[in-house]
Amino acid sequence: EIVLTQSPATLSLSPGERATLSCRASQSVSTYVAWYQQKPGQAPRLLIYDTSNRAPGIPPRFSGSGSGTDFTLTISSLDPEDFAVYYCQQRRDWLTFGGGTKIEIK
Amino acid sequence: QVQLVQSGAEVKKPGASVKVSCKISGSTFTNYDINWVRQAPGQGLEWLGWINSNSGYTGFAQQFEGRGTMTRNTSISTVYMELSSLRSDDTAIYYCAKRMGDAFDIWGQGTMVTVSS
Repeated sequence: EIVLTQSPATLSLSPGERATLSCRASQSVSTYVAWYQQKPGQAPRLLIYDTSNRAPGIPPRFSGSGSGTDFTLTISSLDPEDFAVYYCQQRRDWLTFGGGTKIEIK
Repeated sequence: QVQLVQSGAEVKKPGASVKVSCKISGSTFTNYDINWVRQAPGQGLEWLGWINSNSGYTGFAQQFEGRGTMTRNTSISTVYMELSSLRSDDTAIYYCAKRMGDAFDIWGQGTMVTVSS
């Protein structure tokens, strides 16, 4: 099973700041990585698929990059609605999710 | 606009089974891979498996093989996930989600399943 390790577990930032979230795979997942945002009481929402493609309706402040075992989700300037938990996911070998990164208001 | 609408909350005793439904609306019920993902209270996301709405083919995460069943009823555009031999650590919100490529673009609202004696 491919294990995805997300870091940091918690990110304390202010609105307008840049957020950089990491997702590291235990073995290569090529570019089969997606990112989701989840707010309390809601289902996850797809942000990024195939490492760097924004899902429909996702604003351009969200971007994804990486390949192989190291992937990054970047939020260029945090909007108040961006404070949430973010998960990465791979589908290279069956399917697994990372443990999540929580972005909280500093 | 495709929507996934799930059945309501369930409370079950240990050892029982639960069956959660996921109705696909807003589109013809053709050739979707519907996946099931669960989230224990305060925890992350865990993938259970998938079913193809057209063929009925299924696949399961290893830890659910033998305990999980996924079926479909094409006449009412609904897929089902049944989990047997429930334990307290099966307490979670269960989501169905439509696969788009290698990601899940549409999610159901979630179904809370509580396992308690």
